Amino acid sequence: DTGVSQDPRHKITKRGQNVTFRCDPISEHNRLYWYRQTLGQGPEFLTYFQNEAQLEKSRLLSDRFSAERPKGSFSTLEIQRTEQGDSAMYLCASSLAEREDSYEQYFGPGTRLTVT
Amino acid sequence: GQNIDQPTEMTATEGAIVQINCTYQTSGFNGLFWYQQHAGEAPTFLSYNVLDGLEEKGRFSSFLSRSKGYSYLLLKELQMKDSASYLCAVRDSNYQLIWGAGTKLIIKP
Repeated sequence: DTGVSQDPRHKITKRGQNVTFRCDPISEHNRLYWYRQTLGQGPEFLTYFQNEAQLEKSRLLSDRFSAERPKGSFSTLEIQRTEQGDSAMYLCASSLAEREDSYEQYFGPGTRLTVT
Repeated sequence: GQNIDQPTEMTATEGAIVQINCTYQTSGFNGLFWYQQHAGEAPTFLSYNVLDGLEEKGRFSSFLSRSKGYSYLLLKELQMKDSASYLCAVRDSNYQLIWGAGTKLIIKP
């Protein structure tokens, strides 16, 4: 399978616990994005990487959220001290951005987080 | 601020044509995208416009007017499988995608 994969697909956790999600992008893609999506809304940008460098984080992203892409391949998104408001679908996308005019982002299936 | 507006929900009949509109106000413009998202699934790319005019791809077409901050997605010969949400997204001056909330399209037989 050459698509974007995410693990786990579903996560149920209790408020206050830490959770970590993983994303494996398409192998030759150097850009990796994390989004959050709630029901009836479009994806909300969280952060993105070019290779291993984290180039931008959303101003909406609290200090409880951290993301890494240590070797420029897979990425992890950690949420510490989860809150019920963190319940959402967390989407990962990747793209090839050797040139600024490249455009298509390929999305993974998402991780649905439920905080009880 | 940055804003993308599209209708919340639309209903159309199988075999018919439907047009989904999108208006935007963003800090810079580097292309407009349409994605399709079935319930519980990830968005999939449909079309990309960076210059004014119409881009046609099979049953789907997308139009852009940069001076009006306006785009539409046209779906022809509607099929039941076209029931989904359609997301409009604009790439801003920082090359980040700003997303609309999506239009839920309901197809009736």
